[in-house]
Amino acid sequence: GQQVMQIPQYQHVQEGEDFTTYCNSSTTLSNIQWYKQRPGGHPVFLIQLVKSGEVKKQKRLTFQFGEAKKNSSLHITATQTTDVGTYFCAGRSNTGNQFYFGTGTSLTVIP
Amino acid sequence: AAGVIQSPRHLIKEKRETATLKCYPIPRHDTVYWYQQGPGQDPQFLISFYEKMQSDKGSIPDRFSAQQFSDYHSELNMSSLELGDSALYFCASSYPLGEQFFGPGTRLTVL
Repeated sequence: GQQVMQIPQYQHVQEGEDFTTYCNSSTTLSNIQWYKQRPGGHPVFLIQLVKSGEVKKQKRLTFQFGEAKKNSSLHITATQTTDVGTYFCAGRSNTGNQFYFGTGTSLTVIP
Repeated sequence: AAGVIQSPRHLIKEKRETATLKCYPIPRHDTVYWYQQGPGQDPQFLISFYEKMQSDKGSIPDRFSAQQFSDYHSELNMSSLELGDSALYFCASSYPLGEQFFGPGTRLTVL
């Protein structure tokens, strides 16, 4: 079945350092969404990537969708304590209206 | 702005009992998703509805069923509850292929 893996599972960074999480799917995706979930909260939508090779930026966050539409990355520049949370990618299958969430990367930012 | 509403927020049940979770999507959203999130796990897609019709099925056990009603609210019915069903259950709504807006979740505890 479809699998979406993320690495790393956990990341601790000093405030001001950069952070990257990688998302890899076993199959080609129709599109990919990124979500952030704070402890005790619900996933909150960050962005959606649709096109092969697409790159989108939101302030300090840069999102990329791979050429083969099987992988994606989220890069945060100069992390802040407000960036703490778990970042999930969610890939939409090519064959239906279902999303497969990645395993998530839990980010801790040390002040 | 209106958000996704889920009820109840917390539910405690005994093994082999039944439970019904309710979801009220954002007005004019025509797609509803149900996810199950275990402790420290990523959200697992259970089932989705588009315009009140089931559109996709994920890892939903046969003991669970769901439907979407004429007013677009959805219910997840869970029977013969097992200890392993203890989890956070999220409902999300969206326009077709759009970002998913997650509700606050229902925390189900099976004793």
